[in-house]
Amino acid sequence: DTGVSQNPRHKITKRGQNVTFRCDPISEHNRLYWYRQTLGQGPEFLTYFQNEAQLEKSRLLSDRFSAERPKGSFSTLEIQRTEQGDSAMYLCASSHTNRDSGANVLTFGAGSRLTVL
Amino acid sequence: SQKIEQNSEALNIQEGKTATLTCNYTNYSPAYLQWYRQDPGRGPVFLLLIRENEKEKRKERLKVTFDTTLKQSLFHITASQPADSATYLCALGPGTASKLTFGTGTRLQVTL
Repeated sequence: DTGVSQNPRHKITKRGQNVTFRCDPISEHNRLYWYRQTLGQGPEFLTYFQNEAQLEKSRLLSDRFSAERPKGSFSTLEIQRTEQGDSAMYLCASSHTNRDSGANVLTFGAGSRLTVL
Repeated sequence: SQKIEQNSEALNIQEGKTATLTCNYTNYSPAYLQWYRQDPGRGPVFLLLIRENEKEKRKERLKVTFDTTLKQSLFHITASQPADSATYLCALGPGTASKLTFGTGTRLQVTL
């Protein structure tokens, strides 16, 4: 297993177009997260899945954003009618529960950078 | 509202010195706190975690302290090296299977 994989790594699109990002998590991890990060800021939570169930979605996430994890494996994040303010790095992470602490430790992918012109 | 604050100004230190980064939080009762490292253009990488009932954790040159009364964590890198230059993020989690909330990160620059 080579870790969390995200595609595409870079996407440039025109305002109003739809874009889709894919995330392939570590196979043993049943939880999958999407975060968004802009320059100089920390990752901002968007949504997360446990297996195929979407358990939480940020109130900051507009209707234009939708995420799926159809079989509890890979996930897609779609942004419809993109706006310039959507330009950011979209990070996917998967997680397991640390056996020693019971804590949720995240393994991130390299991210998908979106530029909306 | 919940807030996690890290020093937004970059921390510049000389090689061999100890770097100390601060994470303060408000309106939060985390079960644990984690530190991640992020290099430019890459995703964050997990470094250390500390539980609410622990005061200090160490891993090689890294040390984390956690004071739930002050609502503060300190992250120390001893004998710092230029390769330690990166942005360091603290993250808080309320429970086992929930999301992590990240701070804004502090950029560390270690010079020769």
